[in-house]
Amino acid sequence: NAGVTQTPKFRVLKTGQSMTLLCAQDMNHEYMYWYRQDPGMGLRLIHYSVGEGTTAKGEVPDGYNVSRLKKQNFLLGLESAAPSQTSVYFCASEAASGGLPYEQYFGPGTRLTVT
Amino acid sequence: AQRVTQPEKLLSVFKGAPVELKCNYSYSGSPELFWYVQYSRQRLQLLLRHISRESIKGFTADLNKGETSFHLKKPFAQEEDSAMYYCAQVSETSGSRLTFGEGTQLTVNP
Repeated sequence: NAGVTQTPKFRVLKTGQSMTLLCAQDMNHEYMYWYRQDPGMGLRLIHYSVGEGTTAKGEVPDGYNVSRLKKQNFLLGLESAAPSQTSVYFCASEAASGGLPYEQYFGPGTRLTVT
Repeated sequence: AQRVTQPEKLLSVFKGAPVELKCNYSYSGSPELFWYVQYSRQRLQLLLRHISRESIKGFTADLNKGETSFHLKKPFAQEEDSAMYYCAQVSETSGSRLTFGEGTQLTVNP
């Protein structure tokens, strides 16, 4: 099992460009999350999904959109990138049942720089 | 707003010394608390949860409701404990699941 994978690993964007980050999990987990990690601010939840076809806003959703068309994939989109979106982005998944509650499995991260 | 606070961004100890990573929470009821860890070049992963009352890799964490704290402790630190540690709490608001603290970077020196 690959667990949680993220594509790409690194990306540099110019201000105003758009991009999509892909998260995939092969554990049949219901819940999926997108976080951003910034120095001194910890992990902050951007958006999350509790099942295929559902999404919800987290703590810092502005400037981002998400989609969960398939259970195994969770996409994070930046429509018009800004320097404030320079960060490391982590995807995570969690089983709704059958596993330990609140045990999230994380991907390796995507380092995004917006110039 | 609900907060999880880790007052130390950086913590450095020598091998064999005791270590305590501080975590304070703001939940008003009975919280569910966790410690997650990220070793160098590895993924963030669950270390322990308070409800299990377990010791993982020699680490323990005790919930102190009076002080609203959930400090992570280890009596004798090892070099392989060097990592970023995050305290997390189940969110009181619907759905967002976990609220993470700012993280503490622990360095254990030889």
